[in-house]
Amino acid sequence: DQQVKQNSPSLSVQEGRISILNCDYTNSMFDYFLWYKKYPAEGPTFLISISSIKDKNEDGRFTVFLNKSAKHLSLHIVPSQPGDSAVYFCAALQSNSGYALNFGKGTSLLVTP
Amino acid sequence: GAVVSQHPSRVICKSGTSVKIECRSLDFQATTMFWYRQFPKQSLMLMATSNEGSKATYEQGVEKDKFLINHASLTLSTLTVTSAHPEDSSFYICSATTSGRDNEQFFGPGTRLTVL
Repeated sequence: DQQVKQNSPSLSVQEGRISILNCDYTNSMFDYFLWYKKYPAEGPTFLISISSIKDKNEDGRFTVFLNKSAKHLSLHIVPSQPGDSAVYFCAALQSNSGYALNFGKGTSLLVTP
Repeated sequence: GAVVSQHPSRVICKSGTSVKIECRSLDFQATTMFWYRQFPKQSLMLMATSNEGSKATYEQGVEKDKFLINHASLTLSTLTVTSAHPEDSSFYICSATTSGRDNEQFFGPGTRLTVL
């Protein structure tokens, strides 16, 4: 049963514009959320994370927003660059339960020049 | 820092043979290592969690006799796919955490297994 859902399998954005990737979760016990970027045949690369005690975390062009009441988080990339084109995975964990990550199915982002 | 390597990166084997995949933390001691499997265009599915010196904890539906995991040291975990079959063909990825940074998982580059 998928506890982390990314309902948009793909997203296309023009260079310079904002990319917004969405993620929903069902398990209210999750208390830490992460975004990973992944290229085919490679391991995921950590991008940014957020603890459930916060509602926003920013790192350069990347900002993650968390809405706990809606069990929703989003990753904003601004401005988007062609090098951002990749698959983005949302992941969640319950820190008192072994730290295993629960991944969404990913959203493939294409940033066009 | 926090580099995780996997070996081999690709392996092709015949049906019925066993394949061993190594996961190493190169510059830190990995108290916990995780093994994931990814099918094409699918999510990464956790297979098992292993702590150094103890038996791995397998997720529901993962056969422990089929996927043998050994975490013999703080820098090495191995996954052995025994009597591999074509349906075992997949992308296997390991990750590792270290004490004090439990929320951070450092991923290896993955291993592409193809069983003919």
